[in-house]
Amino acid sequence: EVQLLESGGDLLQPGGSLRLSCAASGFTFSTFPMSWVRQTPGKGLEWVSTIIADNTYYADSVKGRFTISRDNSKDTLYLQMNSLRAEDTALYYCARRQQYGSKWYFDYWGQGTLVTVSS
Amino acid sequence: DIQLTQSPSFLSASVGDRVTITCRASEGIDSYLAWYQQKPGKAPKLLIYAASTLQSGVPSRFSGSGSGTEFTLTISSLQPEDFATYYCQQLKSSVTFGQGTRLEIK
Repeated sequence: EVQLLESGGDLLQPGGSLRLSCAASGFTFSTFPMSWVRQTPGKGLEWVSTIIADNTYYADSVKGRFTISRDNSKDTLYLQMNSLRAEDTALYYCARRQQYGSKWYFDYWGQGTLVTVSS
Repeated sequence: DIQLTQSPSFLSASVGDRVTITCRASEGIDSYLAWYQQKPGKAPKLLIYAASTLQSGVPSRFSGSGSGTEFTLTISSLQPEDFATYYCQQLKSSVTFGQGTRLEIK
């Protein structure tokens, strides 16, 4: 059974840093691209970042501040978040990407970890 | 960015009803569209990808159609477990989501 378990969410002040983790199990982690998606009541679902092999991609809203990475030996995905802003407050999900045709869809999601940025 | 607009934003229906949710893209996205179901406190669940292909394990009462800029998700006969929020998502250019359609019991 595919499982994704996020951790690392916290309450912190603007300008702070945080690293989120996503522990994967039930599949060969190293062979799948992975993404982070965040959700807020106001803005809904927003794609944040994707890692495909050695290539990384970011939403404009986080580019230069967030870094996605993975440790395939630990079956774990990370999101390093720096220079945090109030608008980064959200529930952060990790998601597995599965290729159907020419596109990589989000076929499994974790339960999310909450990041709150507030002074 | 490609914008996705779902309609309606809120839908009230009864068990056994047939319901349709529409997703319109601000520009053509071929068939690079997915539908997700999300229940309170849970992660989104992939229902349909490539506009009309049912994800493994998803009941056949769910169906999707469309291409280009207009897409629909249809539930042929609502079951109690279908009351949730539904999102469309495009993967033609980057990734964006619709604002969601909340489906509630009448």
